[in-house]
Amino acid sequence: DVVMTQSPLSLPVTLGQPASISCRSSESLVYSDGTTCLNWFQQRPGQSPRRLIYNVSNRDSGVPDRFSGSGSGTDFTLKISRVEAEDVGVYYCMQGRYWPYTFGQGTKLEIK
Amino acid sequence: EVQLVESGGGLVQPGRSLRLSCAASGFTFHNYVIHWVRQAPGKGLEWVSGIWGNGETGYADSVKGRFTISRDNAENSLFLQMNSLRTEDTALYYCAKDAPSGSIDYWGQGTLVTVSS
Repeated sequence: DVVMTQSPLSLPVTLGQPASISCRSSESLVYSDGTTCLNWFQQRPGQSPRRLIYNVSNRDSGVPDRFSGSGSGTDFTLKISRVEAEDVGVYYCMQGRYWPYTFGQGTKLEIK
Repeated sequence: EVQLVESGGGLVQPGRSLRLSCAASGFTFHNYVIHWVRQAPGKGLEWVSGIWGNGETGYADSVKGRFTISRDNAENSLFLQMNSLRTEDTALYYCAKDAPSGSIDYWGQGTLVTVSS
């Protein structure tokens, strides 16, 4: 199975400051058509996961533009340009290139 | 609006069985892979199983041989038959809709399975 490794696992951030989460896969996530199957999810306390980003850098409808995704091959990053209180929760990367889909361990973002 | 509504969770003893259901609406059900993803209390997300519209299936090694995923395209429903349950199967089980290019775009609210004597 493809192993997804996130860092850091805990991320205390001051309101209004930027935040960055790294995700590394044990294999390339590039599909034969050139698509890279890397997704980011946000899980707020007590809620179901919500997709933020798909194909590395495509933001879902309704996701604030302070969220951005980047990366290629096996190294990916989720950035929040200015953290707001509603961003508190756990963030997961997930690869969909191979079955079984696999998730990172999760990064818990909290406000300092 | 896409909706996924899970049901069937509960408290069950180790070694017993349970059947989860997921009612889907708001999209053309038979065109999409649907997944079960679980989350143990206080832990991360773990993919459990998935099923294609034509019935092809996949399972995590941790549940292979014990769990069976199925679907009824006429009823827009997904199922997970869980046999020989173990305490480590205790989790919130989510039904999740696949999206193009290896993604999941919608999740249900989850149904809680507790395996305990």
